[in-house]
Amino acid sequence: GESVGLHLPTLSVQEGDNSIINCAYSNSASDYFIWYKQESGKGPQFIIDIRSNMDKRQGQRVTVLLNKTVKHLSLQIAATQPGDSAVYFCAENGNDYKLSFGAGTTVTVRA
Amino acid sequence: DAGVIQSPRHEVTEMGQEVTLRCKPISGHDYLFWYRQTMMRGLELLIYFNNNVPIDDSGMPEDRFSAKMPNASFSTLKIQPSEPRDSAVYFCASSLTKSRGTQYFGPGTRLTVL
Repeated sequence: GESVGLHLPTLSVQEGDNSIINCAYSNSASDYFIWYKQESGKGPQFIIDIRSNMDKRQGQRVTVLLNKTVKHLSLQIAATQPGDSAVYFCAENGNDYKLSFGAGTTVTVRA
Repeated sequence: DAGVIQSPRHEVTEMGQEVTLRCKPISGHDYLFWYRQTMMRGLELLIYFNNNVPIDDSGMPEDRFSAKMPNASFSTLKIQPSEPRDSAVYFCASSLTKSRGTQYFGPGTRLTVL
C-alpha cells in the first residue's frame, strides 16, 4: 500500500546550524501534511502543518516546504538548539482523520 | 490545561494475562485515537473514535485486541490474552473536528509482556 517514508534515519547537526529533515510521500490523494516531534519518553508533539494548496509555511524557527510535483516534504529548523534533539515524523492525511506516519528521523544536536 | 492522560505509564505482565490500558482525552475533543509504536513497525494507528463511536478499527491486529469508549472522557484498550509480541508503547491521542491532523498525544503506556 501507499505510505509515507523518510529519506534518512539520522541527522547530526552542530548547535546553531540549520537543520533540514526530508520526507517522501507516495499517496497523491493526501492533501494535508504535518510534522511531529517526539522527545525521548514522550508522545509525539505537533510542530507545524501545511495544506496541499501551499508550498511553504513558516512557524517559529521552523519552515515546512511542500513539493507536490515530486511528492516531497521537508522541515527546516533554524539555529538548531540542544532542545531540538528528538525524533521527527512527517505524517500525511487524506479526507479523513487518519494520519499515516513516516519512519522518523533522529536529530542529534552537537554542542 | 491537562493534556491527554494515560495510565498506567508502565505495565509488565506475563503472557496470557489480560491487559487494560486507559486514556482520558482532552476535554471537548471529539476524536480519540489509539496508536502502537515499535522499533520495527513505527507508529501504527490501531483504532479511532468520533463522538465515542468507533469509526475505523482496521489497524487492530487481532481479535485479542479490543477498544471501548463508554463516554467522552474515557477510553480503554484491552489485550486478552497478551503475547510477547504485543510489547510496545501504546499512545492515545485526541483532536477536534475542526483541527484535522492536529492530534494531541498522551505520554504513552510502555507494555512489556514476558
